[in-house]
Amino acid sequence: EAQVTQNPRYLITVTGKKLTVTCSQNMNHEYMSWYRQDPGLGLRQIYYSMNVEVTDKGDVPEGYKVSRKEKRNFPLILESPSPNQTSLYFCASSSGLVTGELFFGEGSRLTVL
Amino acid sequence: KQEVTQIPAALSVPEGENLVLNCSFTDSAIYNLQWFRQDPGKGLTSLLLIQSSQREQTSGRLNASLDKSSGRSTLYIAASQPGDSATYLCAVRPSYNTDKLIFGTGTRLQVFP
Repeated sequence: EAQVTQNPRYLITVTGKKLTVTCSQNMNHEYMSWYRQDPGLGLRQIYYSMNVEVTDKGDVPEGYKVSRKEKRNFPLILESPSPNQTSLYFCASSSGLVTGELFFGEGSRLTVL
Repeated sequence: KQEVTQIPAALSVPEGENLVLNCSFTDSAIYNLQWFRQDPGKGLTSLLLIQSSQREQTSGRLNASLDKSSGRSTLYIAASQPGDSATYLCAVRPSYNTDKLIFGTGTRLQVFP
């Protein structure tokens, strides 16, 4: 089954404790992206990647890092989480950035205390 | 700066009604527009993707139209069912920056029996 898989789905952590949210897709998509969703603000792009070893900042990259060492994986790293990073995070992938549909993972709800 | 608006924010209708969800965007220079469905606690599911050269797309009971010149898209749902209850989001990909996808904040639809 074609899917985008995120882990963990739910996480409660404390300020400053590094964490990684993993994302993996099995559709051989070149394009992958991370979004955060907050009430009243909608979905905002954090980082995206056009291909292996190619990453670029989205609209809200501060406090986040990503890497794309393999085509299927695109982890999101919070080096020193802060409470304002409490949010619902989505990973997405697409076969073609411009013409392809965007497929989303189930989401990861992160709470930073 | 491209802005995407979805009105109303919430809609409640009885089962069986045909209904229209609206999406407005401020800059007509878009590459494509995509409609998504989001169920509570779940990720986004792509419903329809309309390229800028197209006027509409259909999938089952769903029909999406695009009028670039007026900055509008509508999602028509025929014979609504309780299973259609979800939040519906539209997103546009600007022509000037095809790396981005700009989301509206969604319309929360409830279809009651």
